[in-house]
Amino acid sequence: DQQVKQNSPSLSVQEGRISILNCDYTNSMFDYFLWYKKYPAEGPTFLISISSIKDKNEDGRFTVFLNKSAKHLSLHIVPSQPGDSAVYFCAASISGTYKYIFGTGTRLKVLA
Amino acid sequence: DTGVSQDPRHKITKRGQNVTFRCDPISEHNRLYWYRQTLGQGPEFLTYFQNEAQLEKSRLLSDRFSAERPKGSFSTLEIQRTEQGDSAMYLCASSFGSVADTQYFGPGTRLTVL
Repeated sequence: DQQVKQNSPSLSVQEGRISILNCDYTNSMFDYFLWYKKYPAEGPTFLISISSIKDKNEDGRFTVFLNKSAKHLSLHIVPSQPGDSAVYFCAASISGTYKYIFGTGTRLKVLA
Repeated sequence: DTGVSQDPRHKITKRGQNVTFRCDPISEHNRLYWYRQTLGQGPEFLTYFQNEAQLEKSRLLSDRFSAERPKGSFSTLEIQRTEQGDSAMYLCASSFGSVADTQYFGPGTRLTVL
C-alpha cells in the first residue's frame, strides 16, 4: 500500500521557468511533510518542510504548498536552474513516530 | 564536515557472506535511522535509535539484519548470509530529537550481492 505517491516519474522544464512537483498521500494522520533532493550516488538532501498547521512554506526559490482536504502537496521551484536537475522525493510523517514514508520520486530535468 | 558519514560507500560481496556498515551521525543528534533504497523506489524505513535504544524495527528487517548503536553515537548495520535481494543503497540519517524532526541523510552505502 503506497501511502505517499508521486505520480509523475519525470518532468522537464526550461531554465528560468517554474517547476511544479506533486505528491499525494492517503493517510490523514500524516502531519509533517518534507521534500528532499537526490543526486546520483548521494544521499537525499533536505530541501523544505511543512507542518499540517500551515498551508504554505517558503525558502528562497522553493515553496511547498499543502492542501489537507485533497491530501496533496506540491513543491514549486522558481526560477528553475540547471543545478536543480535531480530526483525529488516527498516524505510524510506522523509526529511522534519518527519514521518517514517516502514517495517514489520525480526526476526533474532543467534544460538550459 | 559535520554531516552524516557512512562507511564504506560501496560494498560488493558474494551471496552468503556477512557485511557490516557503519554510520556516524551529526554529533549533537540523538536519533539515528536506517533506510534502504532500491532502484526506482524511495527510501524505506528499516529501524531507528534514540541514543543507544533501538525503538522501532520495520518488518523489512529480517532476522538476518541487526543494528546496534552501542554508545549512542555511531551505529552499525550487519547483514548475515547476504542474498541477492539485499542489493540496495543503505542510507543512514540522524535528527536532533524534536517533535517535528528533520532527518539529515548520509551519502549511503551501495551494496551489491553477486
